[in-house]
Amino acid sequence: EAGVAQSPRYKIIEKRQSVAFWCNPISGHATLYWYQQILGQGPKLLIQFQNNGVVDDSQLPKDRFSAERLKGVDSTLKIQPAKLEDSAVYLCASSLSFLRNEQFFGPGTRLTVL
Amino acid sequence: AQKVTQAQTEISVVEKEDVTLDCVYETRDTTYYLFWYKQPPSGELVFLIRRNSFDEQNEISGRYSWNFQKSTSSFNFTITASQVVDSAVYFCALSPMEYGNKLVFGAGTILRVKS
Repeated sequence: EAGVAQSPRYKIIEKRQSVAFWCNPISGHATLYWYQQILGQGPKLLIQFQNNGVVDDSQLPKDRFSAERLKGVDSTLKIQPAKLEDSAVYLCASSLSFLRNEQFFGPGTRLTVL
Repeated sequence: AQKVTQAQTEISVVEKEDVTLDCVYETRDTTYYLFWYKQPPSGELVFLIRRNSFDEQNEISGRYSWNFQKSTSSFNFTITASQVVDSAVYFCALSPMEYGNKLVFGAGTILRVKS
């Protein structure tokens, strides 16, 4: 069974530029999560989707971050414009449903904002 | 509010030593899940275990064992006879049994196993 796929693996941008990350969850997984992991910290949930609907985006900085999961499968997370403090690893995870919540994580995208 | 505390920032052991990673949590929910994840140098978080708040039985899986004590709000993880491949960052996490089930992670413990 294929795992959670993410791309790109690494991205370096200048501050104020835009960037987008892509995630393809495990086939059949209805719930998709985006986490931000700053160096030396545990992952922090940014947004959670159930199919193509948003369940929780309370910690998403909505002035600059946006995410969508239009067809209920893959998802994109966008930052526009990026700030220095956005440098982090962005992890995507999926689970069968919100009830079956063992979350399986992708390899992450390491973002460096200069 | 939910919170997970992993007080040990970094632990170093010599191969074959036993090591225990501590996890203390805070929650007002009466029902919840607790997790442990491993993050090797490659960066991908690997699921190790999930326990629900109704089940305080200890669990053993090979060299890994987990001790859940609701009375002290702790969910500690022990690796027996550690190996170099166990070197990683280990995260404890908490999730309420409600719609959403988001994970709240601790800051992680870096485990270094030396040969």
